[in-house]
Parts: sequence; structure tokens; C-alpha cells
Amino acid sequence: SAVISQKPSRDICQRGTSLTIQCQVDSQVTMMFWYRQQPGQSLTLIATANQGSEATYESGFVIDKFPISRPNLTFSTLTVSNMSPEDSSIYLCSVDGLRSDTQYFGPGTRLTVL
Amino acid sequence: ILNVEQSPQSLHVQEGDSTNFTCSFPSSNFYALHWYRWETAKSPEALFVMTLNGDEKKKGRISATLNTKEGYSYLYIKGSQPEDSATYLCAFRYGGATNKLIFGTGTLLAVQP
Repeated sequence: SAVISQKPSRDICQRGTSLTIQCQVDSQVTMMFWYRQQPGQSLTLIATANQGSEATYESGFVIDKFPISRPNLTFSTLTVSNMSPEDSSIYLCSVDGLRSDTQYFGPGTRLTVL
Repeated sequence: ILNVEQSPQSLHVQEGDSTNFTCSFPSSNFYALHWYRWETAKSPEALFVMTLNGDEKKKGRISATLNTKEGYSYLYIKGSQPEDSATYLCAFRYGGATNKLIFGTGTLLAVQP
């Protein structure tokens, strides 16, 4: 299994500001995934981040709102830009296991936008 | 649109009770079905990955079954303990996009001592 850490663990932000969430993995991985869970909703994939290429965004998510960096094989960041209260969610990063039979998740970043 | 549904939404049981939850998913283009346990402020913990119709997996007091033809999976907890309190998520992984997980909204289990 992979050990994944995220920073910050939680934050309270003002409308119109941006927050960058960091995800660190204890081993090199090809793909990293970013999810969010809005209150009462299911975990939803935002984008897939490969090292050395642009992230691939799911329907309903755009790069201007959720820019992602993937500078190396153990680290990624997700920025939530120009935040509104609707962005209040838990944001999680994940990676595939060695045999790609499951995904391992970080502990999440709980974001509240006022 | 791929939809994964879980029921019940929440469940309150007494310590020692046995309980079960349901996950419904599309029966076509199946690749795998995942179960996770998610405690507040912790990482979702992978419980099972199930791939074959009729699969039955067990981990301690927790077990799961899979029916890919009709598109459902059951998770059972025998003799619930307070430490079993968590949200239980299922996620569907479909063929052709094998890295993508489609999650249900989860079942919140509260076990009273």
C-alpha cells in the first residue's frame, strides 16, 4: 500500500481567494487522482495527473478553476481558484496500488468557503 | 451516466448487532467493485476489491458478496463494535477506463456501545 499525506488538513477561506492543496506519496507513482466530496454527495473524480503532461479533467471540471501541478513522481498540487461557498468540500488525492487493483487515498483536505 | 447507489444512507445499531448494506451499480461493462471504510479525518481504507461474479470475500467480521449480472454487492458486518462506526463506500470501476472509480454516497454506520 502507499502512504499519502495532504496539506492542509483543513482550512477556512474567504470567497474569491484561492487555496493550493498538496499531496505527497511515499513512493513513485505514474498517476495521481484528485477527488472531491461535496456535502451529501459522492466522492467525484476531478482530474487525473500524470507527471510531465497536462492533467486530464473530468466532465464539469476545468483547468482554470482547478489547476493541477505534477512536478515529479511523488508530489502533486491542486489549486481551488476564485472560491465560492459551493467549493466547500473534502478534497482527496489518491494513487493506484502496485498492481492497480485498488486506489489508496490521502486523509483529505476539508475546505470551508465563507 | 454511470450511477452507483448505496442503501441505507445511515444506520444506527447496538454493539453486537449484525448488519448489512447494499451497493447497486451498472451491470454492463463491469471491471471491479471496491469497498472502502472511511472514518472522519482519516484516509478511506480499502476493504475489498471484487472482480468475479459470485465472489465472496472476508476480512475478520466483515464480508462482502458480488453479483455482477444483476449489479449489486452486499457488505456484512457480524457482531458490530463501536470501532466499526464509519462511512462505508462502494465504488464501481468499469471496463475501458480502469483507473476511474465511480462512488456511491456511502452508508454511515453508528454502533452504540
